[in-house]
Formats: sequence, structure tokens, C-alpha cells
Amino acid sequence: GIQVEQSPPDLILQEGANSTLRCNFSDSVNNLQWFHQNPWGQLINLFYIPSGTKQNGRLSATTVATERYSLLYISSSQTTDSGVYFCAVASLPGGTSYGKLTFGQGTILTVHP
Amino acid sequence: NAGVTQTPKFRILKIGQSMTLQCTQDMNHNYMYWYRQDPGMGLKLIYYSVGAGITDKGEVPNGYNVSRSTTEDFPLRLELAAPSQTSVYFCASLESGSNQPQHFGDGTRLSIL
Repeated sequence: GIQVEQSPPDLILQEGANSTLRCNFSDSVNNLQWFHQNPWGQLINLFYIPSGTKQNGRLSATTVATERYSLLYISSSQTTDSGVYFCAVASLPGGTSYGKLTFGQGTILTVHP
Repeated sequence: NAGVTQTPKFRILKIGQSMTLQCTQDMNHNYMYWYRQDPGMGLKLIYYSVGAGITDKGEVPNGYNVSRSTTEDFPLRLELAAPSQTSVYFCASLESGSNQPQHFGDGTRLSIL
């Protein structure tokens, strides 16, 4: 099946710093989502981005489908950005994947005041 | 619009007990999924359904059963609880054929002692 690798595994920042999280995947995809898992364990959908670039406030994401990677940018980080960030993909290996997502291992982000 | 609703939020079971995790969605989505998340890991797919009466195994189906008698509901059954099933369980849904993100519930935290 498709492999998803996220980097870095851990990231520690001071408030106000910028960061870039990376997601590499091993096959063609028809869905890519970035999630933030908050301290209460909820999965918050940040972006649905199988290709192209999107922005939402201080967050933006870019997926280069032909090169099989996606980047999540966090600017002017805040303590509330702390948590785990997951990338998840659904592959399209010549047919429908029925939307089944494969998750990466996540990036643990800690933002200090 | 409640989205995807999971009950209960927390549960402690004894080894060998059985229980059903409930999941319901009010978006009339055809596709529904059950994932589990072990500590420090990404989510893994247990079972999925592409419509009422149709279910199939995911990556980690052993020890679980599902049914899909209606579009709205997709319960997950643990018949003989084992310590290895201690995890957080997430239910999700997706409109088939759509270019939309998968919607997740808030999760059920299950401990088996």
C-alpha cells in the first residue's frame, strides 16, 4: 500500500517563529488532508489539498502531486498551535480507493511562550 | 448540523467483555470508516463501508465486526475485548465521488484492563 512519511517528527518553536512541515507519499493520490490533533485528541481538518496551494489565516499548504509531497506552513506561531499534525492520503492505484486514508506518523509541534 | 457523532466518549472494559461503539452521521454520506489510533501513532483503518449493507476490511480488522443497516449508522463491535484493543477510535464519513475532505467524529477513548 501507499507509504506516507512526515518530517520532522518533533519540532520546538518560540512563539512568533515560522515553520514548515513536510509530507512525502509513495503513490499517486486523489485526496490529501492535513489535520491538527489538539490536546483533547480531536482531529481538526486544516486543509483538503490533493494539489495546488491553499491559505487559511496563518496557515498555508502546498501539494506538488507530480513530485509526491506536500508542505504545511505555519507563520507567526502561537502556543495554541501546539499539538500533533498529521498528513493523510487516499491513493488512486488505477481504480477507486473508496477514500480510505493512510496516515503519516505525525509531527509533534511544541510552541513555547 | 451535527456531522459525525460518536458515543461513548470514554469507556473502560474488562478483558473478555464486549461492547459496541456507536457512530452516526447526518450528512447522508455513502462512505463511512472506522480508524484506531494507538499512542504516538497515526490512525489505521479497521473497517469501511461504501453504502448500506456493504462493508469491507481495512488494515487492522482482527477482533472487530461492523454492520451498516442504514446510511446514517455504522457501529463497531468488539466481541472479546483484549488489552491490545486499548486505543482511541475514530469514525469518519465521506460523500462518494466528491472532491471533499473526510469528516471525523471526536473519537472514543477505550481502555481494556
